[in-house]
Order: sequence, then structure tokens, then C-alpha cells
Amino acid sequence: GNSVTQMEGPVTLSEEAFLTINCTYTATGYPSLFWYVQYPGEGLQLLLKATKADDKGSNKGFEATYRKETTSFHLEKGSVQVSDSAVYFCALRRKSNYQLIWGAGTKLIIKP
Amino acid sequence: EAGVVQSPRYKIIEKKQPVAFWCNPISGHNTLYWYRQNLGQGPELLIRYENEEAVDDSQLPKDRFSAERLKGVDSTLKIQPAELGDSAVYLCASSLWDEETQYFGPGTRLLVL
Repeated sequence: GNSVTQMEGPVTLSEEAFLTINCTYTATGYPSLFWYVQYPGEGLQLLLKATKADDKGSNKGFEATYRKETTSFHLEKGSVQVSDSAVYFCALRRKSNYQLIWGAGTKLIIKP
Repeated sequence: EAGVVQSPRYKIIEKKQPVAFWCNPISGHNTLYWYRQNLGQGPELLIRYENEEAVDDSQLPKDRFSAERLKGVDSTLKIQPAELGDSAVYLCASSLWDEETQYFGPGTRLLVL
């Protein structure tokens, strides 16, 4: 079946550190891949997406590249800020279905 | 452009009581979703509407949950009677017909005592 696996949190980093949050997936065909972010007390916001292999999604300094060969979509940022503290969700969507398949989320804590 | 609006933001009820959540999607979005999110987990789809038609309700616990989307705009999700295990955040999202991006509301945090 289809599934998304994220690295467990919490991930705690100091400000200006390099961030990687791992995400791997299992799916038939070639799904679209997403990263959503959930700030404390707020709803889910789309952070970035990629719809085909080798696509790179980017937003707010975050990047993720759709790697078909490793079935991965790791989230990276070169220099994190305290305001990046949130829960990050990786998700996939098959082309034939509207349903999003979600990872469990990774809580990110950035210390000043 | 206004985002997805949900109300109430928080609700505390006793078990066996009914509860209802309301959602107003982004204007022009034909597809509406209700999700349930338990603590420390990703959202779980409950039901998806295309206009006023529920096209996927396979994961909706129909013995106690019901939903409607009259006129294909606003939607209401109801639980009757609520159980302790229903405590969660209920999220509403909407998207355009062919648009992949789902836009989420802030959610309703339900606590059943």
C-alpha cells in the first residue's frame, strides 16, 4: 500500500544550524509529494511540493527534491530560525486519487 | 483572499453529548475535506465532497458521525453521541477541482470528558 515514513522527533537545533528532516515513501506509480507545516495553534500550511521525479520544491528557504531512485523527499534548510519551530508533515498524493497520505509529523525545536 | 474558516476553535463536551463543527471553504473551491488529527499523528481523512456530493466517505464512522454540505459551499460535521476516543482536532480543507493543493483551516480542538 501507500505510506509515508518520517524521522521521529523532536528534532532540536540551535539557530543558524543546517536542517534535514528525512521522508521516504512507498507508492504505486509516481505520486506528488508535499511538505506541510503546522505552527503552534494554527492549521496546516503547504510549505512546498514536487509533482515529478527530480523536481525541487522550495519556499521560505526550505527545499526538497523528489528522488525516485531512493523514494525520498527530504526537507532541508541551510540556516534555521527560532520562528521555524513547528511540526512538519510529509505527504503524498497519487495521481488517480485526491487523498493525501500523511507521515506522522516531525516536531522541530529551534533554540536561540 | 480569505482562507478556510472553521468554528468553533475549541469545544469541551461530556461523553454521549452531540457536537457539531462548521466549515466555510475558500470561495470557488469545489472540493471539501474533513480530517481528524490525533495528537502526534498526521491527519486522517473522514470524508471528501465534490460540490454537495460526498464522493469518499469510506473512513467516516457512520454509526455516530454524519456530515452535510448543503448547496455545495459550507459544511457541517456532526458526532452523536460523542465518545472519549473522539477527542482530537477536526480539520477542514478545500481545493479547486483540478488543483492538488489542499488549504486547511485552523481546526476545531474537541475534548470529550
